[in-house]
Amino acid sequence: DTAVSQTPKYLVTQMGNDKSIKCEQNLGHDTMYWYKQDSKKFLKIMFSYNNKELIINETVPNRFSPKSPDKAHLNLHINSLELGDSAVYFCASSQERWTRYFGPGTRLLVL
Amino acid sequence: AQKITQTQPGMFVQEKEAVTLDCTYDTSDQSYGLFWYKQPSSGEMIFLIYQGSYDEQNATEGRYSLNFQKARKSANLVISASQLGDSAMYFCAMRMNSGGGADGLTFGKGTHLIIQP
Repeated sequence: DTAVSQTPKYLVTQMGNDKSIKCEQNLGHDTMYWYKQDSKKFLKIMFSYNNKELIINETVPNRFSPKSPDKAHLNLHINSLELGDSAVYFCASSQERWTRYFGPGTRLLVL
Repeated sequence: AQKITQTQPGMFVQEKEAVTLDCTYDTSDQSYGLFWYKQPSSGEMIFLIYQGSYDEQNATEGRYSLNFQKARKSANLVISASQLGDSAMYFCAMRMNSGGGADGLTFGKGTHLIIQP
């Protein structure tokens, strides 16, 4: 049983396009996140979201926007893709302070 | 601001030996949590172990233990009896205190561990 799933697993697209990455969790967690892992493997949080608040990392360009249709989903929309957006994007979820479950990652390549 | 430092970019260890991966942190918060994750070459992030700042005992999970030294602000991961399958990137992370309950993690740069036969 997949706890946190992401689609697609791979995404190759042209600069300037708009794309979305979907994330679903079947754990019943209240909080979901998006992280970006760059080419040097450094992981950085982009967004934290629960039914009460959205916390945005101030370094994230406003071309990135999270959309949550319901508690089990947090999708990531990216407008006007740039070369520097190429990275691995991880969705994660949590309920307790001591848990953070990550999805398998989406490898985005912008050409 | 919270910060995680992992000073070992890479390590080579003989199979069956114990491994200690270093992690130091900096925070002004009294309540915080520390995590270790394993990322194999396949790319997924695998949760290994968690230590809360108020936990009096060091966390253990099978072959993994966390050497938590609060005064020194260190949270080293110890892997006993290393196996070839332990070869991976290892990340130390701290739970951020955003105040609203949606606390993200601040990650270190990682240590690339290679277990040699």
